[in-house]
Amino acid sequence: EAEVAQSPRYKITEKSQAVAFWCDPISGHATLYWYRQILGQGPELLVQFQDESVVDDSQLPKDRFSAERLKGVDSTLKIQPAELGDSAMYLCASSSNTDTQYFGPGTRLTVL
Amino acid sequence: SQQGEEDPQALSIQEGENATMNCSYKTSINNLQWYRQNSGRGLVHLILIRSNEREKHSGRLRVTLDTSKKSSSLLITASRAADTASYFCATSDFGNEKLTFGTGTRLTIIP
Repeated sequence: EAEVAQSPRYKITEKSQAVAFWCDPISGHATLYWYRQILGQGPELLVQFQDESVVDDSQLPKDRFSAERLKGVDSTLKIQPAELGDSAMYLCASSSNTDTQYFGPGTRLTVL
Repeated sequence: SQQGEEDPQALSIQEGENATMNCSYKTSINNLQWYRQNSGRGLVHLILIRSNEREKHSGRLRVTLDTSKKSSSLLITASRAADTASYFCATSDFGNEKLTFGTGTRLTIIP
């Protein structure tokens, strides 16, 4: 069964450093989402792509976060510089023309 | 911001018993979905119910939706140890695929 791939699974970094997360959606899924999930809470949408275009990035802290999906397939989420409050699970999800989103295993970020 | 709130925040039951979780939301929706998350992992889609539906079944899962009360419930029958996880409801608006998640219910099944 096709799955959403994410790497790395875990990342420990010091504050002020740059970090990057990668996501490869299920083949053929045009829509890709990045979520942030703080421990004990539900996921919150950071950015939504339709093919290579950003559809919604209203909750993305644009002063330090950036996301791209250059060829409309895989995607990278970057944080520069990382802050202590960025420690969270970063989840990627993809969907086709249905309402169901398929999630990857996530990247657990710890900022020291 | 979180659209919904799950209730209870945590639930522990004996294996074989039924588990019921509730979700309340604030605005009109197109559909409501339930997801499961095992500790430290990604979310798995369980079931979707549309705003014009009142009840839906999938295996041991039963979901109800009351749009007048802006609430939904998830019933897991004959619980198993493998059902131990966090359960989240998520809503989407008309014309928008964006999901807004609730705060989750942590379910523990005691063998």
